[in-house]
Amino acid sequence: NAGVTQTPKFQVLKTGQSMTLQCAQDMNHNSMYWYRQDPGMGLRLIYYSASEGTTDKGEVPNGYNVSRLNKREFSLRLESAAPSQTSVYFCASTGQGVGTEAFFGQGTRLTVV
Amino acid sequence: KNEVEQSPQNLTAQEGEFITINCSYSVGISALHWLQQHPGGGIVSLFMLSSGKKKHGRLIATINIQEKHSSLHITASHPRDSAVYICAAGGATNKLIFGTGTLLAVQP
Repeated sequence: NAGVTQTPKFQVLKTGQSMTLQCAQDMNHNSMYWYRQDPGMGLRLIYYSASEGTTDKGEVPNGYNVSRLNKREFSLRLESAAPSQTSVYFCASTGQGVGTEAFFGQGTRLTVV
Repeated sequence: KNEVEQSPQNLTAQEGEFITINCSYSVGISALHWLQQHPGGGIVSLFMLSSGKKKHGRLIATINIQEKHSSLHITASHPRDSAVYICAAGGATNKLIFGTGTLLAVQP
């Protein structure tokens, strides 16, 4: 059981380049999330998807777009990367109902130069 | 003021010591999560609780809903417990609001 699989693990981009972070879960979870983690700060929510076909902005959505391709997959896209987007990105998913355990991907360390 | 606050931010302990990490939150929650993150590693869920106390091996998590406070205890600490421990408040949509984490170093 793979849980939450996130790719790539590392990426270096030049300012202005675009990329997509991929996330897939095999637990039949409805809800999926993208967070970013920066030094000295807690993880912050970028976007989330409560179910297939729906997405909503989180705390820090500017500069990002997402796609909930199907129930398994939730991708995060940076259209024009900026140095401020240098961070570690985590995908997560939770199951049905309120107050369910969260499962996280291994993280993507992104550097924008 | 952050909605989820942890203390201490950094903690150094000797192997075998009893460790407590505290978490206070100011938001309504459906569940309180304790997570563990090893350096350069992913994030693993340790506990999710909405009342009372849970125990898993040497780890114990408690929550006081009225006081909006939770604690994570580690008994007989070991160097392999060295990690960042993160408290997170889960709301009705299961979105999590995270504390900034407690960096624990257990020295042999």
